[in-house]
Amino acid sequence: AQRVTQPEKLLSVFKGAPVELKCNYSYSGSPELFWYVQYSRQRLQLLLRHISRESIKGFTADLNKGETSFHLKKPFAQEEDSAMYYCALTERRGSTLGRLYFGRGTQLTVWP
Amino acid sequence: GAGVSQSPSNKVTEKGKDVELRCDPISGHTALYWYRQSLGQGLEFLIYFQGNSAPDKSGLPSDRFSAERTGGSVSTLTIQRTQQEDSAVYLCASSSVQFYRYFGPGTRLTVT
Repeated sequence: AQRVTQPEKLLSVFKGAPVELKCNYSYSGSPELFWYVQYSRQRLQLLLRHISRESIKGFTADLNKGETSFHLKKPFAQEEDSAMYYCALTERRGSTLGRLYFGRGTQLTVWP
Repeated sequence: GAGVSQSPSNKVTEKGKDVELRCDPISGHTALYWYRQSLGQGLEFLIYFQGNSAPDKSGLPSDRFSAERTGGSVSTLTIQRTQQEDSAVYLCASSSVQFYRYFGPGTRLTVT
């Protein structure tokens, strides 16, 4: 069963416009949610995780347990934000390092 | 320090041949993960190692796929009798801190 859903394969916005990348999840336990980013010709890297409640490169994501969502937002998109974004979920099992379930990704393009 | 490395970076093989993909994790990282990234399929979990043992190998798509890890370090993913649907980028990640995974650059496998 798909645990992480990213409904948009492609998303395009103009520079300076707000951007929201959607992520919904299905999990009954205590999940940890993440956003990973892959810039062109670079490695997949962690952007942010919900538990740290931080803003990275102007991006924020709030975990909404009622809607089971973890949407990624940025108020003013920049051209350098163009990349593939993956939402991911892992199971919290004490100190166990579990598997990550990834969504299928959203390719964000920010036009000048 | 050096990040996760993978070799080869590219591999072209004929259908039916066996291939071995190598992952060198960050020194001291106890957890190691293999993922497959295919167009339109996102990131697919294959197997997870904690030390030399694999508590979760549920993502291996068939018995043609196997993986091992020796000395708590290097891991090898072996695909026997390759098929065209095995063509993908194979990603390795390692982790020592709970929930943070460092990804390698991947091996692009093309089965002709």
